[in-house]
Amino acid sequence: QVQLVQSGAEVKKPGASVKVSCKASNYIFTSYGISWVRQAPGQGLEWMGWINTYHDNANSAQKFQGRVTMTTDTSTSTAYMELTSLRSDDTAVYYCARGGGGVAPLDYWGQGTLVTVSS
Amino acid sequence: DIQMTQSPSSLSASVGDRVTITCRASQIISNYLHWYQQKPGRAPKLLIYATSSLQSGVPSRFSGSGSGTDFTLTISSLQPEDFATYYCHQTYTTPEAFGPGTKVDIK
Repeated sequence: QVQLVQSGAEVKKPGASVKVSCKASNYIFTSYGISWVRQAPGQGLEWMGWINTYHDNANSAQKFQGRVTMTTDTSTSTAYMELTSLRSDDTAVYYCARGGGGVAPLDYWGQGTLVTVSS
Repeated sequence: DIQMTQSPSSLSASVGDRVTITCRASQIISNYLHWYQQKPGRAPKLLIYATSSLQSGVPSRFSGSGSGTDFTLTISSLQPEDFATYYCHQTYTTPEAFGPGTKVDIK
């Protein structure tokens, strides 16, 4: 079955960066995009962006532009999301999900990665 | 940017009840509207895609309808495992957007 397995929880200080990985299996990685969605504690879902795994081009929400970088490694079927200049309000669970990119729903999700930003 | 709203923000219902959740987009989004269920501590799960298509493995008591800007998720007979938060999601254009969620709890 399709699986997305994310890297483990992180604790970072304000101003630092975090890089979350998302390893896909049991499907052709470049046939679907990968989206990134985050959820602050007790809050709703927030769309961060999407990467086309075939063409390796990404589109992110304006609020994250300049701070977020989405990349892929097709040799290992892994997607990465790096967020820089972390602030306390970046504390959230970060999810990767298969799909997105303007048409497709998010049909499979990773288990989530908790990123805590605290001094 | 397209804004998504949901109503109600929360509701209390009993097992067996028919439940309807509404999602509204600030612009026409064709049928690029999807619904997810999320339980505490878990990742969201896709229920309905493209307004009315049931995701594989999802019980038939879930259904979706709508067009343009107004959409509905209906649970025909609420089951104990359906108590959760439900989100709509538009993929008509970027930035994509989720609704704020509707929490369904036990009356």
